[in-house]
Amino acid sequence: AQSVTQPDIHITVSEGASLELRCNYSYGATPYLFWYVQSPGQGLQLLLKYFSGDTLVQGIKGFEAEFKRSQSSFNLRKPSVHWSDAAEYFCAVDGYNAGNMLTFGGGTRLMVKP
Amino acid sequence: NAGVTQTPKFQVLKTGQSMTLQCAQDMNHNSMYWYRQDPGMGLRLIYYSASEGTTDKGEVPNGYNVSRLNKREFSLRLESAAPSQTSVYFCASKEDNGLAGEQFFGPGTRLTVL
Repeated sequence: AQSVTQPDIHITVSEGASLELRCNYSYGATPYLFWYVQSPGQGLQLLLKYFSGDTLVQGIKGFEAEFKRSQSSFNLRKPSVHWSDAAEYFCAVDGYNAGNMLTFGGGTRLMVKP
Repeated sequence: NAGVTQTPKFQVLKTGQSMTLQCAQDMNHNSMYWYRQDPGMGLRLIYYSASEGTTDKGEVPNGYNVSRLNKREFSLRLESAAPSQTSVYFCASKEDNGLAGEQFFGPGTRLTVL
């Protein structure tokens, strides 16, 4: 069965600092990978996705993620964090099983210090 | 174009009461999903519907039933609510392009069972 691990439950960074959120997945082949962001009291918004091709993908709001097959990782990065980036971030895997169900990691809550 | 809408936004139930959570999408998507979100556990799939007229169990279906009323609407019913069903419920729909497309999420329903 596929699974997703986000090792960091909480991360605090200073505004303007760089950010990396970790995501490791377990799946027998190359899955489809997603990062979603959830602001307080809101639904989930897609930041970026990886299906195939270039392993460095660009998303909205200045985020990028790199797929590393050898490490089974899909880490999310941003060079300079803004206070509005404070939210919860979810990594998800779609193993193109029946129904194309997403398996989510437990989430990482990002706090931004002024 | 409202995307995915959910009603109600908030609900408080007593143990043993029943209720139905409503979800509708206006994007002409075939696939629809119900997730629950609990702290530290990400989102877990309750039920999904790959097309009108079909429904299948996800990871945590016990205590829930679903109805795919038509292509637009996918409802989730709690027949006899239990405190363990206190959670935030999200409905999602997925674009169908032959690949694992993006899932679009509604704003969520926050349910408390006393």
